[in-house]
Amino acid sequence: DAGVTQSPTHLIKTRGQQVTLRCSPKSGHDTVSWYQQALGQGPQFIFQYYEEEERQRGNFPDRFSGHQFPNYSSELNVNALLLGDSALYLCASSLVAGGNSGANVLTFGAGSRLTVL
Amino acid sequence: RKEVEQDPGPFNVPEGATVAFNCTYSNSASQSFFWYRQDCRKEPKLLMSVYSSGNEDGRFTAQLNRASQYISLLIRDSKLSDSATYLCVITTSGTYKYIFGTGTRLKVLA
Repeated sequence: DAGVTQSPTHLIKTRGQQVTLRCSPKSGHDTVSWYQQALGQGPQFIFQYYEEEERQRGNFPDRFSGHQFPNYSSELNVNALLLGDSALYLCASSLVAGGNSGANVLTFGAGSRLTVL
Repeated sequence: RKEVEQDPGPFNVPEGATVAFNCTYSNSASQSFFWYRQDCRKEPKLLMSVYSSGNEDGRFTAQLNRASQYISLLIRDSKLSDSATYLCVITTSGTYKYIFGTGTRLKVLA
């Protein structure tokens, strides 16, 4: 049973460039969340996708955008990269059991480590 | 004030020791609570959920104190393999995001 898979695992970009990160959720999961983890910090919520719609967004600028596909996989796009965007980007999947809260346990992928020079 | 606060450590303990971490949260509407473990340069993995009545999983015990707004994690008989960062996580009613603390780093020494 495949867990959450992310690609690429590592990438290096320069300021001003754009990046796309990809995520396939765990089999049976229908919800994808993206988190940014800077060095020495806990993961910060970027947004969550369910039924191909952005269901909630954290405190991130519009440069961060995403998409969810009919097969539940997801992409995170970051435009106009800044040095401060260097971080580990984590995708997490879960299964909506109904209701409106985070009682559903998140399963994380190994992450995409982005370095912006 | 941060929504979730943890002592970053590191906590350096000898093998076999008992160690406890606390995590405080600011929102009284917090609904679900978890402890995740994160190894160096790896993804967070669920260690255990935290229930109102407290719960135990082998050497690990989690407690929730809603009145004082904190959760705790107790590790008994520490193993070298317990060395990791332990992340406190909460969710709040009406939102979908998980709110993470900065993590507490544990080093178990031989």
